[in-house]
Amino acid sequence: AQTVTQSQPEMSVQEAETVTLSCTYDTSESNYYLFWYKQPPSRQMILVIRQEAYKQQNATENRFSVNFQKAAKSFSLKISDSQLGDTAMYFCAFMNPTGANSKLTFGKGITLSVRP
Amino acid sequence: GAVVSQHPSRVICKSGTSVKIECRSLDFQATTMFWYRQFPKQSLMLMATSNEGSKATYEQGVEKDKFLINHASLTLSTLTVTSAHPEDSSFYICSASPHSGQGAEETQYFGPGTRLLVL
Repeated sequence: AQTVTQSQPEMSVQEAETVTLSCTYDTSESNYYLFWYKQPPSRQMILVIRQEAYKQQNATENRFSVNFQKAAKSFSLKISDSQLGDTAMYFCAFMNPTGANSKLTFGKGITLSVRP
Repeated sequence: GAVVSQHPSRVICKSGTSVKIECRSLDFQATTMFWYRQFPKQSLMLMATSNEGSKATYEQGVEKDKFLINHASLTLSTLTVTSAHPEDSSFYICSASPHSGQGAEETQYFGPGTRLLVL
């Protein structure tokens, strides 16, 4: 079974600065997908970024980028130029796309606070 | 694109009554939909996976007779909490994956959630 670990329960960052959220996972699969989802106070889950394991290039989406280290099974999220609207709970998730049902395995999440 | 809606957004009901929650994919067809439960400040707990036209697959420990799931079309899944009790009070979230062939089918898109309070 796959596991996803987010060891930091909370982090805080000053507005406009950069912050990195860590995530590690454990799997014996070679083909899989990794995701970061954001859950703001509204509790709507929002896809931030996704990475296919077969791609060596790290995914980027505007101010969000990942550092994907497949051998180390690490998938950290970097948020540049932090904004107040980035305040949210962030979940790292793993998916093994085999069969008809591709379930997500979530980490426990990290609460990020952006200070003005 | 990839918008998922849920209705209602919040519901209060009396103990013993049943509550139905709808999950709709608005701009794509969803072969698979998922139902989660979330407690405050915690992660999402998968309850069941539903495929259009077939029976749902429930996670271990989830009572299928209590949480009835119907995935009648490629855009609609419903979760019915039967004979609800106060311990069923929680935040319920659905997600949907696009039908094969429409791209990015490995990505789940989430509804805004339904807050259920059972008195």
